[in-house]
Amino acid sequence: KNQVEQSPQSLIILEGKNCTLQCNYTVSPFSNLRWYKQDTGRGPVSLTIMTFSENTKSNGRYTATLDADTKQSSLHITASQLSDSASYICVVPILGGSTLGRLYFGRGTQLTVWP
Amino acid sequence: AAGVIQSPRHLIKEKRETATLKCYPIPRHDTVYWYQQGPGQDPQFLISFYEKMQSDKGSIPDRFSAQQFSDYHSELNMSSLELGDSALYFCASSTVDRSFGYEQYFGPGTRLTVT
Repeated sequence: KNQVEQSPQSLIILEGKNCTLQCNYTVSPFSNLRWYKQDTGRGPVSLTIMTFSENTKSNGRYTATLDADTKQSSLHITASQLSDSASYICVVPILGGSTLGRLYFGRGTQLTVWP
Repeated sequence: AAGVIQSPRHLIKEKRETATLKCYPIPRHDTVYWYQQGPGQDPQFLISFYEKMQSDKGSIPDRFSAQQFSDYHSELNMSSLELGDSALYFCASSTVDRSFGYEQYFGPGTRLTVT
């Protein structure tokens, strides 16, 4: 069964601190994994895409890692800001067969940054 | 840069009424996806269209129908609305990207409330 699981479900940190969000997936066949940021009531916005051949990728204060062998990914946020408060969603697409392009979403990690 | 446009942004309907949601993809994107996100839930894939033809079907109720028009915009028609249909409906668009498959860009969503 294709699944994407994230942890923790919610996280509260102080402004300026770092945090790491986890994602485990069982989607097959696997091509890439995406991290999205979703503000309440808004559409998800892509942060980064990790292909199976990439181990680490940075986008500003966001650094994503991928271990395709263990099917795990992490999103590390450094020097958190109040505007980082949002839901961070791990997404894995299926690129083959009749489910072409279908995305499997994790439940997301709700991050709250306190001043 | 142009983004995915959805209209209306908010919609209030009564039970058993009909609703039509519209999605205008990013220019030159040929694929449209519809997702439903209930309160506190992850987005659930409903249906997708590629070049005006249905390409994949997910958990879309029989009361819902959708189509993609010649200008690539899409409409999701929802009939006999039920209270459980209250959700945020996202549209996403994409085009073939040889590096990443089908990078999906999400619209801001339509908040449907059924009373």
